[in-house]
Amino acid sequence: DAKTTQPPSMDCAEGRAANLPCNHSTISGNEYVYWYRQIHSQGPQYIIHGLKNNETNEMASLIITEDRKSSTLILPHATLRDTAVYYCIVRVAVGQNFVFGPGTRLSVLP
Amino acid sequence: EPEVTQTPSHQVTQMGQEVILRCVPISNHLYFYWYRQILGQKVEFLVSFYNNEISEKSEIFDDQFSVERPDGSNFTLKIRSTKLEDSAMYFCASSDSIGGEKLFFGSGTQLSVL
Repeated sequence: DAKTTQPPSMDCAEGRAANLPCNHSTISGNEYVYWYRQIHSQGPQYIIHGLKNNETNEMASLIITEDRKSSTLILPHATLRDTAVYYCIVRVAVGQNFVFGPGTRLSVLP
Repeated sequence: EPEVTQTPSHQVTQMGQEVILRCVPISNHLYFYWYRQILGQKVEFLVSFYNNEISEKSEIFDDQFSVERPDGSNFTLKIRSTKLEDSAMYFCASSDSIGGEKLFFGSGTQLSVL
């Protein structure tokens, strides 16, 4: 079973930052936080991952709390094409397979 | 950007028939996966494959399922005798490292068992 809790849905205005929360209170010291998204029944797409430091790439930023029990994915300027289901997944870096939960359905509104 | 290719995009079959779903992973990737997603449900892991053998499989991946890498480019999922509950979107994925952070997924094959 997924080790994360996410809100089932969120709305965001186009051009604004989308902040997607994730709770992972039972995360272990060797487990990473990954984010994937799935646009309209396409295959999931990797976004970002991190262990304890905040991470940023061309798609998004990942903010992990100091106690690592929660994190936030930030899409700095959401567009209509960011409408998707976003999955927060915790797993060790090597070996485990990804366990997808129900995710958060983000709707970016014009 | 390189991508994982899956064929066919849609497959309709009769219950009890065999189906083969095909995937062409990214060319320099060595680790291959199948996932499935029943309509409206979660993405579920089926099997991982490396060095011509199964690395891990889920409870879903029973004796009716098999995987094969018949040549240097294709990766296939066979369902021997399809059941109604096998109807789902099947996603192939590949990565360049074991337990890789970035799984690259294909667009999926929608399997409908009638």
